[in-house]
Amino acid sequence: GESVGLHLPTLSVQEGDNSIINCAYSNSASDYFIWYKQESGKGPQFIIDIRSNMDKRQGQRVTVLLNKTVKHLSLQIAATQPGDSAVYFCAEGLTGYSTLTFGKGTMLLVSP
Amino acid sequence: GAVVSQHPSRVICKSGTSVKIECRSLDFQATTMFWYRQFPKQSLMLMATSNEGSKATYEQGVEKDKFLINHASLTLSTLTVTSAHPEDSSFYICSARGGAGNEKLFFGSGTQLSVL
Repeated sequence: GESVGLHLPTLSVQEGDNSIINCAYSNSASDYFIWYKQESGKGPQFIIDIRSNMDKRQGQRVTVLLNKTVKHLSLQIAATQPGDSAVYFCAEGLTGYSTLTFGKGTMLLVSP
Repeated sequence: GAVVSQHPSRVICKSGTSVKIECRSLDFQATTMFWYRQFPKQSLMLMATSNEGSKATYEQGVEKDKFLINHASLTLSTLTVTSAHPEDSSFYICSARGGAGNEKLFFGSGTQLSVL
């Protein structure tokens, strides 16, 4: 199930389940979106990105969906594994501008 | 993917001392690097944008005299936390875009700073 902690919402799933992590972005002008995975004590690791001219993009075991109408981004992880346990951040940006704005993050906990 | 190396990974220092953190792009040139700060269970907060050969651009509320940034070459940016105090204890992370034509942002492994 999903719960909201003091700062970080948490999604708990069983190994083998599919996971869906959601993100609401803030700037309707943003045209570039990225998902990052951050393990404890490490820097964020790039997972997948998508441009605003697409609404879906697939990678290895991951799919990102973009709904510009409601400014919503989701990351789907198929057959979730214990190694997927981490904090996941979405980030939004604008072509031509260097900076990214990060969402609040979701902690994914995968039980064996 | 592009590799960003950050050093040290962990530092413990006494209050009042200065600490330097290095961020290197190993296999590409980065005219722009970014410094973030992260508190436990929170998101990344952009502190400043480091521009090679020019002054850094700081985000609102970040003291430029407290957090000195130097980007003297295309592969190295440094962040110096001057006269560190316990409230400066945090996880600091640098990042850089992956070279020409690569918009992806690659991150260093982070530096955990603990000020006693």
